[in-house]
Amino acid sequence: DAGVTQSPTHLIKTRGQHVTLRCSPISGHKSVSWYQQVLGQGPQFIFQYYEKEERGRGNFPDRFSARQFPNYSSELNVNALLLGDSALYLCASSVQGQETQYFGPGTRLLVL
Amino acid sequence: DAKTTQPTSMDCAEGRAANLPCNHSTISGNEYVYWYRQIHSQGPQYIIHGLKNNETNEMASLIITEDRKSSTLILPHATLRDTAVYYCIVRVVYNFNKFYFGSGTKLNVKP
Repeated sequence: DAGVTQSPTHLIKTRGQHVTLRCSPISGHKSVSWYQQVLGQGPQFIFQYYEKEERGRGNFPDRFSARQFPNYSSELNVNALLLGDSALYLCASSVQGQETQYFGPGTRLLVL
Repeated sequence: DAKTTQPTSMDCAEGRAANLPCNHSTISGNEYVYWYRQIHSQGPQYIIHGLKNNETNEMASLIITEDRKSSTLILPHATLRDTAVYYCIVRVVYNFNKFYFGSGTKLNVKP
């Protein structure tokens, strides 16, 4: 069975640009969560979506936004990129949002 | 937000049991203990979780103290591939609650 998939695997952007990251959950999972992991730290929660509705938001600026589609896939958008946005962005899925989360391989974003 | 305390790093000899401790002295009655691990910048991998009883699966065993204020993850026969950062997390399951990852324990399995 396919696990959580994320695209792209790596991305290089410059300051001020916009980026869109994509996530496909495990088949049958209806909830997707996004995390940011800066080098040397544990993952930090950004958003959780269930049935296309936002169910939780971490302490991130409004430059970060996300959405979930009818097929339960999700996009994370980051506007006006800063150098500090360089990180590994992780997507996790769960059946209904309240259970064990399973993580994808992540997208590594480098902002120059 | 920090609800768990873990040692920064631990060493273990290959083939021996690795015992990773976690302190969660403020755990609530409806909070589960979860363990994940992350191997060198890959996505975190789910290992095991439990509420109050000891749990075992094909990867590991989870021992939770009777007062639930601490737990130990046991890898019975550590291999080099078990070298990773191990995260202990407490969360309410039946709620849209985020997973809070602390800094974890870097386990170094040595030949």
